[in-house]
Amino acid sequence: GENVEQHPSTLSVQEGDSAVIKCTYSDSASNYFPWYKQELGKRPQLIIDIRSNVGEKKDQRIAVTLNKTAKHFSLHITETQPEDSAVYFCAASIGMDSSYKLIFGSGTRLLVRP
Amino acid sequence: SAVISQKPSRDICQRGTSLTIQCQVDSQVTMMFWYRQQPGQSLTLIATANQGSEATYESGFVIDKFPISRPNLTFSTLTVSNMSPEDSSIYLCSTGGTSPFGSGTRLTVV
Repeated sequence: GENVEQHPSTLSVQEGDSAVIKCTYSDSASNYFPWYKQELGKRPQLIIDIRSNVGEKKDQRIAVTLNKTAKHFSLHITETQPEDSAVYFCAASIGMDSSYKLIFGSGTRLLVRP
Repeated sequence: SAVISQKPSRDICQRGTSLTIQCQVDSQVTMMFWYRQQPGQSLTLIATANQGSEATYESGFVIDKFPISRPNLTFSTLTVSNMSPEDSSIYLCSTGGTSPFGSGTRLTVV
């Protein structure tokens, strides 16, 4: 069945450094790739997303890249701050329709050390 | 994007009982999705709730355990039946796309 693999499972960086989280997906029909940030005790929050007709998208300190040929997509956070510490999930849409039901990666726990 | 009101926010239930979770959307949507997040884990899709037809369940989830209702285009319920401690999780509903998740239901089964 479809799956999304996410690496690394944990990531510790110094404040101000960059963080990169990588995901691969299996469903060739996937066309929507969101990233979520989940802080302790809260629901996942969408932070950025990318669709299959775009190779890169940036929003201030965060960016996402997509390589459809290789079925890879990555989250890049620059100039990390302690408030970036959270669990991050990638996801990929399943199937051909536009309903965007999602399959999630296993998550990355990011710790930004002050 | 749609705004979802989900309730209850949390509950502690006895094993063997059932709990029904409700999600109300502020606009009409074709599909609603139910997810489960077990402690320390990622989100797993339980089923897709379609208005006017049976819900579509993902592998590993069955209607007898997780019956779903979708009476109209703005409302859905998920019931967790005959609960055991392994059902302790956060349950989230979604309308898909860029819309935020419902606030979640933190279920503890004792």
